[in-house]
Amino acid sequence: EVQLVESGGGLVQPGGSLRLSCAGSGFSFNSYAMNWVRQAPGKGLEWVSYISGSSSTISYADSVKGRFIISRDSAKNSLYLQMNSLRAEDTALYYCAREIGYDFSANYNVYLDLWGQGTLVSVSS
Amino acid sequence: QSVLTQPPSVSGAPGQRVTISCTGSSSNIGADYDVHWYQHLPGTAPKLLIYANGNRPSGVPDRFSGSKSGTSASLAITGLQAEDEADYYCQSSDSSLNGDVVFGGGTKLTVL
Repeated sequence: EVQLVESGGGLVQPGGSLRLSCAGSGFSFNSYAMNWVRQAPGKGLEWVSYISGSSSTISYADSVKGRFIISRDSAKNSLYLQMNSLRAEDTALYYCAREIGYDFSANYNVYLDLWGQGTLVSVSS
Repeated sequence: QSVLTQPPSVSGAPGQRVTISCTGSSSNIGADYDVHWYQHLPGTAPKLLIYANGNRPSGVPDRFSGSKSGTSASLAITGLQAEDEADYYCQSSDSSLNGDVVFGGGTKLTVL
């Protein structure tokens, strides 16, 4: 079965750290770029971070830049998000998502065709 | 505040047609980036509904359709069913953000 399964969420104090994992199965994980997307309570989806299949290209939303680190392990078909200096506003359900990219009309377009069920991160004292 | 603007809520009776708009700007939809749509039921994984403006992945009913014009896009749902009640999000990319993914704020569809 083609799926993504997140883990690693939990309750952490402000200023603390947490490492999220996302295990891919049923497809050639290393051939796909991957993203982390989060949803804070009562809010919409917010893109967090991106990593290319080869890990050569990485990007972050301004809200997490300098605090979060995305990485992947090809041998384990896994994606990670190391979250440091956590704040209350980082409280959210975190999803990993597989990216499909294509060129059209001078632009490189992307969409997310496979998502995990999410893992909940709560930042509170 | 989301880069793409959606109405917070829409509603319709079973069997009716509803549309959800997604308004962007000259750096995303207006820059000719494609628009994609997701359906999200709370507690579940978001589901890709429409990709590249108007294409449906395998398994998505043809009651769902998408279109794009200028700096806006829209999702139409015909023959509303109770199970369509969910949150819907548009997504594109933005040249001012190095082509990174941007989402709309989401629209809650209520089936009356």
